[in-house]
Amino acid sequence: ETGVTQTPRHLVMGMTNKKSLKCEQHLGHNAMYWYKQSAKKPLELMFVYSLEERVENNSVPSRFSPECPNSSHLFLHLHTLQPEDSALYLCASSQDWDSASNEKLFFGSGTQLSVL
Amino acid sequence: DQQVKQNSPSLSVQEGRISILNCDYTNSMFDYFLWYKKYPAEGPTFLISISSIKDKNEDGRFTVFLNKSAKHLSLHIVPSQPGDSAVYFCAASAKDTDKLIFGTGTRLQVFP
Repeated sequence: ETGVTQTPRHLVMGMTNKKSLKCEQHLGHNAMYWYKQSAKKPLELMFVYSLEERVENNSVPSRFSPECPNSSHLFLHLHTLQPEDSALYLCASSQDWDSASNEKLFFGSGTQLSVL
Repeated sequence: DQQVKQNSPSLSVQEGRISILNCDYTNSMFDYFLWYKKYPAEGPTFLISISSIKDKNEDGRFTVFLNKSAKHLSLHIVPSQPGDSAVYFCAASAKDTDKLIFGTGTRLQVFP
């Protein structure tokens, strides 16, 4: 398997649940990202990891907790979410963080999250 | 405040005709622009890019035009094909931030 793989594809959770989104990239990239896409809004950058270190945290609420155990895997741990957190969560990777603006991002298919 | 704006949420074009997708930006520091294409149930994929030192970049049926004075770029697809039906995102970045700022996307439908 190649590219960026995200699981699960769909997730429905209650506000008191704890769940995790998983992302795996098979491209040998050094940077990984979490984006959020809400309806009729731009893609919003949430977190960036470069060489397993978090280098960007875009004022994301603490109910979203990222984890990058190695350069190929990225998790987004979710707890006590709100209905307004329902969105498509996209993982992406690029060769390096400092060249991301000048190179292509490779996206996964996303996890469609619904919070009830 | 959105720095990258795609004011047309949708566009419908007949097969064989030209599709023109527009994007406006407000940050004069942006120096690199990209277009991504997204099919349903898939992640966005890179389509074409342009540096601010150019005003045009062409790749097959896809051409991106940049008008820096107007802070406007457009993506031309000619001839349009049904397989081009997708959501197209415009994105921009500035050298000192290394972050991509995305627009809200335009849904293109190409009908036979």
